[in-house]
Amino acid sequence: GENVEQHPSTLSVQEGDSAVIKCTYSDSASNYFPWYKQELGKGPQLIIDIRSNVGEKKDQRIAVTLNKTAKHFSLHITETQPEDSAVYFCAAIRYNTDKLIFGTGTRLQVFP
Amino acid sequence: KAGVTQTPRYLIKTRGQQVTLSCSPISGHRSVSWYQQTPGQGLQFLFEYFSETQRNKGNFPGRFSGRQFSNSRSEMNVSTLELGDSALYLCASTSRGGSSYEQYFGPGTRLTVT
Repeated sequence: GENVEQHPSTLSVQEGDSAVIKCTYSDSASNYFPWYKQELGKGPQLIIDIRSNVGEKKDQRIAVTLNKTAKHFSLHITETQPEDSAVYFCAAIRYNTDKLIFGTGTRLQVFP
Repeated sequence: KAGVTQTPRYLIKTRGQQVTLSCSPISGHRSVSWYQQTPGQGLQFLFEYFSETQRNKGNFPGRFSGRQFSNSRSEMNVSTLELGDSALYLCASTSRGGSSYEQYFGPGTRLTVT
């Protein structure tokens, strides 16, 4: 069935370093891949997304890449800051279902 | 523009009781989805409503149900509560237009079943 694997489950970096989170999806019909950041006590917040017809997208310090052939997509955060500390979730979806399949989450800790 | 709102934010219920959670999507959004978040199972899709019709359903028992009203507000109901139903219940509303698609989440309702 539909599945999204996410790695690593925890990631600790020094402030200013880069962080990379990787996801693999199983449903080849998936065509939209959002990334969410969830802080304690809050709902997931959409931070960036990518569509299947695009290979890479960047927004300031965050970027996402997509390899449709390998069914891989990744989140890259550069120049990390303590406020980047949170749990990050990748997800995959087919446009016509509105049913997000989430990865298991990555807890990112950025140490000052 | 106001975000997705969910009420109540916190709820404590006893096994066997039933509960109703409410969600108001972002103004203009007609699709509402519900998710259950637990430490063990992560984020799992419950169901999705569009124009008062359930379009998609996840793998949850029939005790979990929902509905959507003509103003796009949605409710979900869980009957005969079990301890395992303790979770954060998240509502999301979807913005769709042309090639644009984004799903926004509310803050969630934390349900504790004792």
